[in-house]
Amino acid sequence: AQKVTQAQTEISVVEKEDVTLDCVYETRDTTYYLFWYKQPPSGELVFLIRRNSFDEQNEISGRYSWNFQKSTSSFNFTITASQVVDSAVYFCALSSTGTASKLTFGTGTRLQVTL
Amino acid sequence: DSGVTQTPKHLITATGQRVTLRCSPRSGDLSVYWYQQSLDQGLQFLIQYYNGEERAKGNILERFSAQQFPDLHSELNLSSLELGDSALYFCASSNGVGTVNEKLFFGSGTQLSVL
Repeated sequence: AQKVTQAQTEISVVEKEDVTLDCVYETRDTTYYLFWYKQPPSGELVFLIRRNSFDEQNEISGRYSWNFQKSTSSFNFTITASQVVDSAVYFCALSSTGTASKLTFGTGTRLQVTL
Repeated sequence: DSGVTQTPKHLITATGQRVTLRCSPRSGDLSVYWYQQSLDQGLQFLIQYYNGEERAKGNILERFSAQQFPDLHSELNLSSLELGDSALYFCASSNGVGTVNEKLFFGSGTQLSVL
């Protein structure tokens, strides 16, 4: 069975601080994809990134960066110079060849950025 | 805006009742997925349809059913409602059949409250 663990339930930071959201996953499949979604207070789920199991290159998109390490089964997400608009719940998710379209989500990390 | 439309946004009903949630996928997307987000279970995959056919099934109760119509919109029917069915129900769509790497676009959800 596959599993995604986001141990941090809630994180509070002051604007401009850097923050890292942790994600640890479990799967027996060798081909899988990892995702991060953002759920702002308005409620919708917004896609942020997708990473396949064969590509361990880190990715940077503006203030966002992702660190994928197969050795530790982790796919961590860092926001640099956080802003109030980053306040949201962030979900890490896993899709593998064994389950294909069924995204397995973590329980989410609520990020609160204050002035 | 993801392009996925869900109606209604909010639904309040009583135990034992039946409701229908509606979803219109993004233009051109053939797959529709339903997810349930509750406080105790988190985000859980319910069911997927591809071009009118059921493609994958998750933790969907027998009291729940879904279908996808020829115009590709989908409906999720929830019957004999119980208090525990109160949750945010998401619809998502993708442009493929539901392969492991597909990016899902989520609607804003329908908040169901069973009183």
